[in-house]
Amino acid sequence: EVQLVESGGGLVQPGRSLRVSCAASGFSFDKYVMHWVRQAPGKGLEWVSGLRATGDSLGYADSVKGRFTVSRDNAKNSLYLQMDSLRPDDTAFYYCARALSGGWGPFLYWGQGALVTVSS
Amino acid sequence: EIVLTQSPGTLSLSPGERATLSCRASQSVSSTYLAWYQQKPGQAPRLLMYDISTRATGIPDRFSGSGSATDFTLTISRLEPEDFAVYYCQQYATSPLTFGGGTKVEI
Repeated sequence: EVQLVESGGGLVQPGRSLRVSCAASGFSFDKYVMHWVRQAPGKGLEWVSGLRATGDSLGYADSVKGRFTVSRDNAKNSLYLQMDSLRPDDTAFYYCARALSGGWGPFLYWGQGALVTVSS
Repeated sequence: EIVLTQSPGTLSLSPGERATLSCRASQSVSSTYLAWYQQKPGQAPRLLMYDISTRATGIPDRFSGSGSATDFTLTISRLEPEDFAVYYCQQYATSPLTFGGGTKVEI
């Protein structure tokens, strides 16, 4: 069974950093593109970034470019999102998602989400 | 960036009725890479359709997708009580990948 479990969310002050993680199991992690998607409370979905199995980036949303960095450790079956210079509008649930097959998408499997709250 | 505009924002219908949801792209979506997701409160999104018209595993055939280039439609032929939710379209052809703003289907 495919499982994606996010961790590392929490309350953080504006301007500080936080790293959220996604632990994957039930599939060959090193063969799939992985993504981060966020959703502010009561709002829609926003793609944040994606990473090929090789570690090559698919890019970032303009709203996070230069502040967020996605990485993966295939040996640990884990995906990471390093968030720096956090702002209140970064407050959201952060989901990791796995592509259906070998391409960029669509996103077949999702984690349960990690809530990141940016507030003083 | 491909901007996806969904309409209407809210669709008020009754069980048994037909729902037609629209997704319009600011430029052509290449390689038919357009998907639809359903999201219920407190849950992660669920993949419904991909490649415009392919149903994901386990999705009932009352859901269908159509369209091309810049205009796409998700149709629910007869609404069941469990279909009342928010629906998002997504293009995964071009980075940045983008989602539409969502359509809420309510009773």
